Amino acid sequence: NAGVTQTPKFQVLKTGQSMTLQCAQDMNHEYMSWYRQDPGMGLRLIHYSVGAGITDQGEVPNGYNVSRSTTEDFPLRLLSAAPSQTSVYFCASSFKVATNEKLFFGSGTQLSVL
Amino acid sequence: AQKITQTQPGMFVQEKEAVTLDCTYDTSDPSYGLFWYKQPSSGEMIFLIYQGSYDQQNATEGRYSLNFQKARKSANLVISASQLGDSAMYFCAMRPSGYSTLTFGKGTMLLVSP
Repeated sequence: NAGVTQTPKFQVLKTGQSMTLQCAQDMNHEYMSWYRQDPGMGLRLIHYSVGAGITDQGEVPNGYNVSRSTTEDFPLRLLSAAPSQTSVYFCASSFKVATNEKLFFGSGTQLSVL
Repeated sequence: AQKITQTQPGMFVQEKEAVTLDCTYDTSDPSYGLFWYKQPSSGEMIFLIYQGSYDQQNATEGRYSLNFQKARKSANLVISASQLGDSAMYFCAMRPSGYSTLTFGKGTMLLVSP
């Protein structure tokens, strides 16, 4: 089972460059989300989606765009990368909205912005 | 809004000893789920254990147990008989009813020595 697949695993950008972090899941999960992990900060929610065509902002959305055209894919776009966006990014998904429903995580993307 | 507090940035324990990782939470929702995830040095997020707010008994999963004290709003993770492979970052997280995402604490780094 592939689960949640994130690409790339590592990326180095220059300030001002744009890029898209890819996230795909093959579990037919309606709910997907993006988190960033910074040292001493835990995981913070960037954007999330409750189904194809529906997205919303999380705690730290500035500088990031998302769209959800299919159930399987939830890409995260950096329009103009900044050094403050250097972080580890995780994509996650779940099947339903229930308090006992755990999130399935991708393996993460380590992004450095120079 | 929800908040998770993990007050121990780092913990040290010797192999075969038990260790408790602290987690307190704040929410006004009466129904919620509490989760613990492990993140080893390889970076992936591994689900460990879940506790529901209405569960009468503390959750257990093998060597992991959750000391749930609802009145104190605490959900401490207890690892019995620590192993070297338990060395990792541990995150406490919460999911209120109706939410598709988790709110995470800042994490506790556990180091297990021989």
